Amino acid sequence: EVQLVESGGGLVQPGGSLRLSCAVSGLTLSDNFMIWVRQAPGKGLEAVSMISNDGITFYTDSMRGRFTISRDISKNTVSLEVSSLGTEDTAVYYCARAHWGSIDFWGRGTLVTVSS
Amino acid sequence: DVVMTQSPLSLPVTLGQSASISCRSSQSLVYSDGNTYLSWFQQRPGQSPRRLIYKVSNRDSGVPDRFSGGGSGPDFTLKISRVEAEDIGVYYCMQGSRWPYAFGQGTKLEIK
Repeated sequence: EVQLVESGGGLVQPGGSLRLSCAVSGLTLSDNFMIWVRQAPGKGLEAVSMISNDGITFYTDSMRGRFTISRDISKNTVSLEVSSLGTEDTAVYYCARAHWGSIDFWGRGTLVTVSS
Repeated sequence: DVVMTQSPLSLPVTLGQSASISCRSSQSLVYSDGNTYLSWFQQRPGQSPRRLIYKVSNRDSGVPDRFSGGGSGPDFTLKISRVEAEDIGVYYCMQGSRWPYAFGQGTKLEIK
């Protein structure tokens, strides 16, 4: 059974940083693409970043340079380092598997709140 | 970047009736392998998204056959026949043919 469990969210001041983690079970990271998708309160879904099975990283233009995706194959975890946060980054961040141009498994998400 | 436009954004439906959601892509979604990577997701209140349909018309395991996807670029459709109370939520289309993946704005299905 595939399980994706996010952690690391919380309250952070504008300009601050956080490291989000996703514990993956039931999947091998070296065989799968993993993606972070976020959802601002009451808003829609937005792809943030993706890492391929061989470690190639993808970012949306607005987040390039502020967000860094990585993985630890030995621990089967995927991380998203988010920095220079603004109030517009307040959202639930979901970890998910990207598979053949779609997203089939989702975690429950971790809430990041940017506020002073 | 590809822009996905859904309509309507709000969809009041009577239980037992049918519902249809449209999604239009701003660019071709045909990938170099010939496939069209258009998916549909359901998000019930307080839950994570759940995929219903992938590659335009392929239903996921466990998804009732009341849900069907169709269309060809740039217009795609999700149809729900015989709407049930459990279908309440927001529905999103998403293209995965080009990075960045892009979602539609979402269509909120509510019961009249």
